[in-house]
Amino acid sequence: QKEVEQNSGPLSVPEGAIASLNCTYSDRGSQSFFWYRQYSGKSPELIMFIYSNGDKEDGRFTAQLNKASQYVSLLIRDSQPSDSATYLCAVNSNAGKSTFGDGTTLTVKP
Amino acid sequence: EPEVTQTPSHQVTQMGQEVILRCVPISNHLYFYWYRQILGQKVEFLVSFYNNEISEKSEIFDDQFSVERPDGSNFTLKIRSTKLEDSAMYFCASTSGDQETQYFGPGTRLLVL
Repeated sequence: QKEVEQNSGPLSVPEGAIASLNCTYSDRGSQSFFWYRQYSGKSPELIMFIYSNGDKEDGRFTAQLNKASQYVSLLIRDSQPSDSATYLCAVNSNAGKSTFGDGTTLTVKP
Repeated sequence: EPEVTQTPSHQVTQMGQEVILRCVPISNHLYFYWYRQILGQKVEFLVSFYNNEISEKSEIFDDQFSVERPDGSNFTLKIRSTKLEDSAMYFCASTSGDQETQYFGPGTRLLVL
């Protein structure tokens, strides 16, 4: 079983729709959870972080965490073509090391 | 806004050669990391560094790899004898706390021929 698993892509949504990205993790001791966006050839760029169960909203982005289910998700509302990228889920261990998922490639079609 | 910087942006080297990748973390950060990403694959943890010593390292980080913080600003990754499979993008990251957001540098693309 992968340590961090993301829903297989690619994911394609029309402009203005909601994009839903999912991630599960295996280490129950994980404490912090991050969503990054990565464009081809570039470094990961932080979108959101979440530490506590529940929802966290920031503009068009909402992160959801359910530690009992070991599940974290990212919703992107009113998707824009500029949101097209690969989205990386990362989970931090006690020592602060980030374990990344394979990423989900999102395409938003105009 | 402060940012992590890395040099060089690209490095081409011959197999068996030594390379040093350099990073300048954000100035008040205490935790430093190296990750790598082979083309088309996921970002992989290499090593974390805190209080002038390695705090954790992955299986990838074997005896060919070393890290150093030679002064108050630089954080380096050395690969002693490069292999073809070391070709990847190498990212440095830093953070103020081990559960805080890690800020990534722009990366060094290493190509081993």
